[in-house]
Amino acid sequence: QVHLQESGPGLVKPSETLSLICSVSGGSMSNYYWTWIRQPPGKGLEWIGHVYSSGRTNYKESLKSRLTISVDTSKQQFSLKLSSVTAADTAIYYCARGLYYDSSGTFDHWGRETLVTVSS
Amino acid sequence: QSVLTQPPSASGTPGQRVTISCSGSSSNIATNIVNWYQQLPGTAPKLLIFNNDRRPSGVPDRFSGSSSGTSASLAISGLQSEDEADYFCATWDDSLNGLMFGGGTTLTVL
Repeated sequence: QVHLQESGPGLVKPSETLSLICSVSGGSMSNYYWTWIRQPPGKGLEWIGHVYSSGRTNYKESLKSRLTISVDTSKQQFSLKLSSVTAADTAIYYCARGLYYDSSGTFDHWGRETLVTVSS
Repeated sequence: QSVLTQPPSASGTPGQRVTISCSGSSSNIATNIVNWYQQLPGTAPKLLIFNNDRRPSGVPDRFSGSSSGTSASLAISGLQSEDEADYFCATWDDSLNGLMFGGGTTLTVL
């Protein structure tokens, strides 16, 4: 069974870089869209972006200038880096496995929630 | 504010049928597949319906989806207490070039 596990700091200072890693076990990373999604506490879901197993990326337009998502298939990991964070970036962050094609939005496996708080 | 509009809440009694709508536009629902996610309290979302009307293995056939024009809907028949959750629709938006989620609907089983 595929399992996704996020890791990273739960507290980040304003203007610094939020970094998370998602470790994938139980299956190959090939031919999937490895995705980050976030959810501000008590609010709805927001797609952040994804990286295909080949390394090709697609990002939410409003986050593009601050965002890097990368994959390391040899380590069975993919990562999120979001720079110059503000309180608006405080959210539960999920990693997820996307199926089929770039824009399908079909996520069949999700990591457990990771709360990241931006505060000094 | 999301480009996909869902009612913030819905409710029903056990055994009833409930429908949750997701309203979009020509740049999203009309031209792309819609998926539905169920989020139980304190847990990650779970894929409930994909490709408009397909159920992943393990999802009861009480759950069904449909899409027509610029709207999609999720129907839950034979409502059960364990169906209390938040439900989100999701689809790609060609104008915004990104995946969009609806604002979510909180379902209460009375």
